[in-house]
Amino acid sequence: EVQLVESGGGLVQPGGSLRLTCTTSGFKFSSYWMTWVRLAPGKGLEWVANIKQDGIEKNYVDSVKGRFTMSRDNAKNTFFLQMNSLRAEDTAVYYCSGYTDGWYDNYWGQGTLVTVSS
Amino acid sequence: EVVLTHSPLSLPVTLGQPASISCWSSRSLVYSDGNTYLHWFHQRPGQSPRRLIYNAFNRDSGVPDRFSGSGSGTDFTLEISRVEAEDVGVYYCMQASHWPPTFGLGTKVEIK
Repeated sequence: EVQLVESGGGLVQPGGSLRLTCTTSGFKFSSYWMTWVRLAPGKGLEWVANIKQDGIEKNYVDSVKGRFTMSRDNAKNTFFLQMNSLRAEDTAVYYCSGYTDGWYDNYWGQGTLVTVSS
Repeated sequence: EVVLTHSPLSLPVTLGQPASISCWSSRSLVYSDGNTYLHWFHQRPGQSPRRLIYNAFNRDSGVPDRFSGSGSGTDFTLEISRVEAEDVGVYYCMQASHWPPTFGLGTKVEIK
């Protein structure tokens, strides 16, 4: 059974930091691009960033560039999102997701809530 | 950034009747490799998105055959042949042909 489990969300003050973790099982993690997608209150889904299978190529949307950093550990089937300088507009449910080249397979976690508020 | 526009944004449906959602892209979604990376997702409140259709018309494993996707270039459609109660929620189109990947604002489907 494929599982992606996010953890690390919570309440943080503006300017603070959080580290999200996505722990996976049931599929060949090292063959998948991994990504974070968020759903802010009252808004639609937003792609945040993705990381290639080798962990070297990483892409971030402009709104998080310079503040968020992704990494992955293929030996532990886990990947991470380090979020610094958090803003109120980063408040959202963060989903981790994986997809293969060509998008033939795609899996999603259940999400973790990040709330940025004083 | 590619903008995806849904129509309609809200869709009241009758159980057992068909339903159709359109998604228009501000740019062609044909990628350099010839594929069209336009996907359809379904999300129920409190749940994660579930992909239904990938690359415009391919149904994901386990997705009922009442769901179908069509279209090319900039115009795409998701059709439900006979709506069931479990089909309520928000449907999103998403493109991955251009960076950054973007989602439409979604179409909320509810039972009349």
